[in-house]
Amino acid sequence: QKEVEQDPGPLSVPEGAIVSLNCTYSNSAFQYFMWYRQYSRKGPELLMYTYSSGNKEDGRFTAQVDKSSKYISLFIRDSQPSDSATYLCAMSEGSSASKIIFGSGTRLSIRP
Amino acid sequence: GAVVSQHPSRVICKSGTSVKIECRSLDFQATTMFWYRQFPKQSLMLMATSNEGSKATYEQGVEKDKFLINHASLTLSTLTVTSAHPEDSSFYICSATSGLAGNEQFFGPGTRLTVL
Repeated sequence: QKEVEQDPGPLSVPEGAIVSLNCTYSNSAFQYFMWYRQYSRKGPELLMYTYSSGNKEDGRFTAQVDKSSKYISLFIRDSQPSDSATYLCAMSEGSSASKIIFGSGTRLSIRP
Repeated sequence: GAVVSQHPSRVICKSGTSVKIECRSLDFQATTMFWYRQFPKQSLMLMATSNEGSKATYEQGVEKDKFLINHASLTLSTLTVTSAHPEDSSFYICSATSGLAGNEQFFGPGTRLTVL
């Protein structure tokens, strides 16, 4: 069993829809949870960074962490074609100098 | 925001040659740098963690004699793929952190290596 499971998609939704992306994990020691966006042939870009359980909102993006269920989510409101990319969940036990475990990424396509 | 650069962005080499990839933190001092490899349609896999002035720590299954890592300064780490083979063709990405409390890792744009 992988430490982090993520549905690879692809996921295709119409412009303006709410997108829900999810990951599950097995390591209860994970404390830091991240979502990255990666465009084709580019490095990942950090979108959201959350410590422990709870919600965090930034513009059209909302990250949720439920440590009791070992489940994290990223919601994108009012999705735009420019949001089309691969979204990677990631998590670590410690802070910035710790090893990050990535999910396999979900390919998202927003149809105009 | 913090910027990490990589050079070259793309490299094509013949089998058996060595290739060096540079990772630089442009506006902060990186106490720790990480090297990842990403195959097509797959996630990033950590290869090694490097701290300035000390030997890199390699992940299980990564050959340290094949993937040489040098972190000679607080702004530069290099990855050398020695005696490259076609199966080493991949997207190599570095990340860097200053190690400050709550500070995240910042990723470079990646280097695409193609070994013929």
